[in-house]
Parts: sequence; C-alpha cells; structure tokens
Amino acid sequence: DSGVTQTPKHLITATGQRVTLRCSPRSGDLSVYWYQQSLDQGLQFLIQYYNGEERAKGNILERFSAQQFPDLHSELNLSSLELGDSALYFCASATRGDTDTQYFGPGTRLTVL
Amino acid sequence: DAKTTQPNSMESNEEEPVHLPCNHSTISGTDYIHWYRQLPSQGPEYVIHGLTSNVNNRMASLAIAEDRKSSTLILHRATLRDAAVYYCILRYNFNKFYFGSGTKLNVKP
Repeated sequence: DSGVTQTPKHLITATGQRVTLRCSPRSGDLSVYWYQQSLDQGLQFLIQYYNGEERAKGNILERFSAQQFPDLHSELNLSSLELGDSALYFCASATRGDTDTQYFGPGTRLTVL
Repeated sequence: DAKTTQPNSMESNEEEPVHLPCNHSTISGTDYIHWYRQLPSQGPEYVIHGLTSNVNNRMASLAIAEDRKSSTLILHRATLRDAAVYYCILRYNFNKFYFGSGTKLNVKP
C-alpha cells in the first residue's frame, strides 16, 4: 500500500459525459501527478501540482482539467468524454516534486461506452 | 523531444542477474533517468534514478553510459516477484516525465 488513495476504483460512463476522479496524496506530500495509461499509448504524464499550484503540464487534452485543493487532495476532471478516453488514470504523490520518488495510487479505471 | 526506447520483453532465470537496457539518445544535460516497475494490476513502483553517476540501492543498480545516451537497470538476483513491466523514464524540462513503452520481464523458476 503506497498511502495514495484514488476514488472511484471503476467508472463507467457514456460518450459526451463529464467525470471527476479524486486523489488523496500520502500524508505530508505536497506534490500530485496525474497519468493516463491506455493500451495504445502506454503511460503518459498529464499534469503536476505542487502545494496547490500547477507546476508542469504534459500531454493533457483541453477537455481535461485538474486542481489541487488546500487540503492537498486533487481532482482530475474529464469532460466531453470520447471512447478513446477509456484508460487507467493514476495519481502519484511526492514530498516535494523535483527528483523525489513518486508513490502511485491504485488507479481509476474509466470505461467510456 | 524526450524519448526512451526499450526492448518489449526479456526473460531471466531465477537467482540470476538481469540487465535491462534503455536508449535515450535525445537526453539533455539536466534530464534525470528514472526507473519504475509495474506489477500486474498495480500502479508503478519506484526502483531507482540517477543523473550522471552510477547508482545503487537495495533494489537495483543503475549504470549510466558516459555519454548518457543509454542506461542499464541491473537486478542482481532476479526473483519471481521481480516479474513486472520495467519503465525507463526521462524527467525533462524540470518536471515533465516521458515513459518508455516498458520491458516486460519474465522470470523463470
């Protein structure tokens, strides 16, 4: 158990809908990362937050957005969902967010029908 | 653009050393090399990372070529629990991460 929690574990929704994935980092970690893992694209870095502020942006679509709240939990919002958005979404946390070890959560499996 | 290439799969016998290669010819001077592994149905797990010098920890060793265009993750004695997908990752532009496609390691008893 990495200490990072993600909810929900599974999510099934329809095209065009909007969903919110939630991540609670390890106690004391200030940095949260979001990743997408799909069969055809592998693991892709989406975005990083550090202490409430966006720090780095990867291959995140404009339909996706994220935020980190004062209690340090983070949410990833996915809107106008398409079939291709079906994937495992991982959240990871780190103490600081530079070369720190990242601790990954168990992931949320999103299925878009 | 940051990029890593790895063999799709490798096989090893239990109790023997394993050398997992990674090419990252586009690496720049400030890019770190990280390795994570992913066991079935789990999130990735940190293994090791380095910048220029070889690194050792309780899990593995990381050998980085002098020109930094390649690196090798070394598991000194593979066990069945080491069967996983191993990702070679570049941390670039300060805090962006490029994950390679990963090497699936099969360990035979």
